[in-house]
Amino acid sequence: DTGVSQDPRHKITKRGQNVTFRCDPISEHNRLYWYRQTLGQGPEFLTYFQNEAQLEKSRLLSDRFSAERPKGSFSTLEIQRTEQGDSAMYLCASSPGRTPNEKLFFGSGTQLSVL
Amino acid sequence: DAKTTQPPSMDCAEGRAANLPCNHSTISGNEYVYWYRQIHSQGPQYIIHGLKNNETNEMASLIITEDRKSSTLILPHATLRDTAVYYCIVRVNFGNEKLTFGTGTRLTIIP
Repeated sequence: DTGVSQDPRHKITKRGQNVTFRCDPISEHNRLYWYRQTLGQGPEFLTYFQNEAQLEKSRLLSDRFSAERPKGSFSTLEIQRTEQGDSAMYLCASSPGRTPNEKLFFGSGTQLSVL
Repeated sequence: DAKTTQPPSMDCAEGRAANLPCNHSTISGNEYVYWYRQIHSQGPQYIIHGLKNNETNEMASLIITEDRKSSTLILPHATLRDTAVYYCIVRVNFGNEKLTFGTGTRLTIIP
């Protein structure tokens, strides 16, 4: 069990640029979640997948955000035309996806800074 | 999901029991109480969860009051590595796969 892996750990970009983050869940975990966390706040839910199907999206996920999980394994989160308000830690989590309300395993996150 | 209220910060001496309270006065009968913690620069880590009975595992104990309106997470012998933000979350037992975090309690273990 290598845990949830996120890449990159840190990303600095200029306002208006596009960025993409990758998440590799724990092997054979069917559910995958994206969260966003700003300084001093708890993580905020963005979206989650059951296998390759995106089942829920938060209102926080504006049109500039898109998440994919094409083969039901790794996932990518893309932010287009980044804004300074997008600066945050982006966390990925996974769970086995076989029963309701399983515990989530989180990665260490990608810290995004938009200049 | 029901809202939770936690103190923003607490201190505890190393080696002593850390008792972290959480109020969830609007909790429904089908909602569980979950605890996660987040150590600096890491993602949240599951600790324990329960419905109405007290629970214990290798990390902590969870005490839920009889009316279920509040709970206490107990770390029996706190170490410096327990310094973290602790989140109390209530979650329905089916049909809601996401966790909704509040701002948590920042626990500092004092040497």
